[in-house]
Amino acid sequence: KQEVTQIPAALSVPEGENLVLNCSFTDSAIYNLQWFRQDPGKGLTSLLLIQSSQREQTSGRLNASLDKSSGRSTLYIAASQPGDSATYLCAVRLGADAGGTSYGKLTFGQGTILTVHP
Amino acid sequence: KAGVTQTPRYLIKTRGQQVTLSCSPISGHRSVSWYQQTPGQGLQFLFEYFSETQRNKGNFPGRFSGRQFSNSRSEMNVSTLELGDSALYLCASSRLGRADTQYFGPGTRLTVL
Repeated sequence: KQEVTQIPAALSVPEGENLVLNCSFTDSAIYNLQWFRQDPGKGLTSLLLIQSSQREQTSGRLNASLDKSSGRSTLYIAASQPGDSATYLCAVRLGADAGGTSYGKLTFGQGTILTVHP
Repeated sequence: KAGVTQTPRYLIKTRGQQVTLSCSPISGHRSVSWYQQTPGQGLQFLFEYFSETQRNKGNFPGRFSGRQFSNSRSEMNVSTLELGDSALYLCASSRLGRADTQYFGPGTRLTVL
């Protein structure tokens, strides 16, 4: 059974800092990994999608890396801003050898609550 | 392009009642998934539909059911509501499924009294 762990559970930083959020998963046979942010009481906003054949993806101040063999992904946020304050979630989707029955299923971590203070 | 929409946004029900939630995916998206989010369990997969067929189902009791229509809109139904069903129910759509980004709606906040 795939399990996803995110460290740290919470993080508070001053504005302007570069920071790293960590995600690990137990089954390395993933198809892809997706990072999301969630603002309180809201839905999820997709940040980056990394396919299993890719090593990293970048979008603006965000960079996500994937090391499938070691079961790890990191989300790097450069020059953090108060507007980045949210819960960040990583989610993995199982690969082709998952019996073909897990097409759309995402398995989520518990999230990292990020607070960026001015 | 309009995002994923969910109705209603908030719902209050009492134990024993049933409820139906609706999700309209992004235009052109054929895969719709449903998730339950609670403070204790986090986000848990309920089921996924593609072209009106349930393609995958999570570990939830049979009180939870869903369907997808020919226009890709989806509904989920919960019968005989329990207090523990109080949660944020999120719908996600993607173009085809596995390889694609999943886009989430704002969710329906269900409170069971």
